[in-house]
Amino acid sequence: EDQVTQSPEALRLQEGESSSLNCSYTVSGLRGLFWYRQDPGKGPEFLFTLYSAGEEKEKERLKATLTKKESFLHITAPKPEDSATYLCAVPNYGQNFVFGPGTRLSVLP
Amino acid sequence: EAGVAQSPRYKIIEKRQSVAFWCNPISGHATLYWYQQILGQGPKLLIQFQNNGVVDDSQLPKDRFSAERLKGVDSTLKIQPAKLEDSAVYLCASRSSTGRAFFGQGTRLTVV
Repeated sequence: EDQVTQSPEALRLQEGESSSLNCSYTVSGLRGLFWYRQDPGKGPEFLFTLYSAGEEKEKERLKATLTKKESFLHITAPKPEDSATYLCAVPNYGQNFVFGPGTRLSVLP
Repeated sequence: EAGVAQSPRYKIIEKRQSVAFWCNPISGHATLYWYQQILGQGPKLLIQFQNNGVVDDSQLPKDRFSAERLKGVDSTLKIQPAKLEDSAVYLCASRSSTGRAFFGQGTRLTVV
């Protein structure tokens, strides 16, 4: 069965304090790994898709990387507006998305 | 580009009542999903449609939940009768040809 886990469950950072979020997955045949951001009261918003080990993608203060078993979302010099829940997901054989539980990030000014 | 539209945004009902949620996906997206997101958890798939056919409803509690996508465009998810544990956010998403899923704002259901 396809599974996605994320750690830590919650993370509090001071503004400017860089850190990383982890997403571990077990899936029979990776068809991409997706990162989403979810703000309170809103639906998930797409950030990145990674398809192969060694791939990296960047957007502003965020950089996502992928290995054969996990993905990292690196946050460099975060700002309070980066506070959100970050979800990762993998498509299963049926092309529906299996989500992890998310990491709740709080960036304090 | 218009996003995924959902209504209502919020709904409060008593247990054993019925409720329906509506979703209009992005134009041209053949795949539509309904997810349930309980507070503090990631979204969990309820049902997946491809056009107007069901692809996966293995996690849909069929004794109380039903969903349809007539004409392969908009979709309705119904719960009858509702239980307290159905309190959650119900998210609709549609998938583009690139594989990326676009989500609506969700409907927050509270069952009291």
